[in-house]
Amino acid sequence: DGGITQSPKYLFRKEGQNVTLSCEQNLNHDAMYWYRQDPGQGLRLIYYSQIVNDFQKGDIAEGYSVSREKKESFPLTVTSAQKNPTAFYLCASSIGDRSEAFFGQGTRLTVV
Amino acid sequence: GQNIDQPTEMTATEGAIVQINCTYQTSGFNGLFWYQQHAGEAPTFLSYNVLDGLEEKGRFSSFLSRSKGYSYLLLKELQMKDSASYLCAAMDSNYQLIWGAGTKLIIKP
Repeated sequence: DGGITQSPKYLFRKEGQNVTLSCEQNLNHDAMYWYRQDPGQGLRLIYYSQIVNDFQKGDIAEGYSVSREKKESFPLTVTSAQKNPTAFYLCASSIGDRSEAFFGQGTRLTVV
Repeated sequence: GQNIDQPTEMTATEGAIVQINCTYQTSGFNGLFWYQQHAGEAPTFLSYNVLDGLEEKGRFSSFLSRSKGYSYLLLKELQMKDSASYLCAAMDSNYQLIWGAGTKLIIKP
């Protein structure tokens, strides 16, 4: 079955530690995205990539980093510089930047 | 600035009809999306409108008025499984999605 997979579903980390969230898709989509979802707010774009080895900052990239070494994979690292990292993180992919996005199941990160 | 407004929460009765409104202000416009999101799960695509008018898809329909910066999602014959949040997102001139905070729809028997 084609789809987009995020792991893990729940993640706990101590303050000051970097953590990497996994996102893999087998839909052969060129574009991939990372969003953050907080209660009472719309999805906010962290980073996006339209092609392998290239990515752009979204609206809230500070404290985050990504890589796109393979078409299928777009991992997100939440660094210790991110001041408020506890949130629900959603990865998405689309055929192109003008198409509907398909989302992974999300990773709920809690930093204590 | 760019902005999307939709009601925070709505309540409806099983079997009834509900309309969820969305107004948007974006720099340019390349279409409007509606997604459904059950609690703790991934958003799933419902509809896309780029031209004015009504698009019907089974029990769900979506309407767009570009001149008014307005869209609505119409859900008919409501079922308990329709209890979810409904996200409105407008695509701007750079093909970036601007998301609303979502409307939580509560269905009562």
